[in-house]
Amino acid sequence: NAGVTQTPKFRILKIGQSMTLQCAQDMNHNYMYWYRQDPGMGLKLIYYSVGAGITDKGEVPNGYNVSRSTTEDFPLRLELAAPSQTSVYFCASSYVWGGEQYFGPGTRLTVT
Amino acid sequence: DQQVKQNSPSLSVQEGRISILNCDYTNSMFDYFLWYKKYPAEGPTFLISISSIKDKNEDGRFTVFLNKSAKHLSLHIVPSQPGDSAVYFCAARGDLNTNAGKSTFGDGTTLTVKP
Repeated sequence: NAGVTQTPKFRILKIGQSMTLQCAQDMNHNYMYWYRQDPGMGLKLIYYSVGAGITDKGEVPNGYNVSRSTTEDFPLRLELAAPSQTSVYFCASSYVWGGEQYFGPGTRLTVT
Repeated sequence: DQQVKQNSPSLSVQEGRISILNCDYTNSMFDYFLWYKKYPAEGPTFLISISSIKDKNEDGRFTVFLNKSAKHLSLHIVPSQPGDSAVYFCAARGDLNTNAGKSTFGDGTTLTVKP
């Protein structure tokens, strides 16, 4: 039981490049979330999903897109990377909506 | 407008003593509160939670207290151990009619437990 996995662990992007952050969970959770954490700050919700095929915007969705074709996977797409997207990204899942969330180890992204 | 605030960025305590981490919130529609612990270079891990219908929840060395009238919750760790040194995040969840039940996180408090 791997829990929530994220790849890659680290990535450096040039301004204007695009990339996909991968997230997978093997706990059969319906609810999945993407957060970003800037230095000294809390977690800001980017997008969330309540099940396969259903996604919605969180607090800071601009510059990102998501899809949820299966229960297990919830990739986050960055289009036209900007320095403001330099952050640590965490994916999480939960059995109950808004309940105890299980987090992945994070992806540290730098945009230069 | 930050709805969940952890006003102390850091806290240092001696091993064996009590650690008290505080969290204030502004939205009276929050119905569920959680504490997460985060070590460097790792994702947060769930620690303890409390429903708005309770005022206390205890799990081993960790106790969370909720004061709804003051919109305040606190996490007590007794006794504190060096392994408790981490960043602690408070989170609050709205009911499904409030902000679609999304969780809002505070900015965290860094706890250092000195041997």
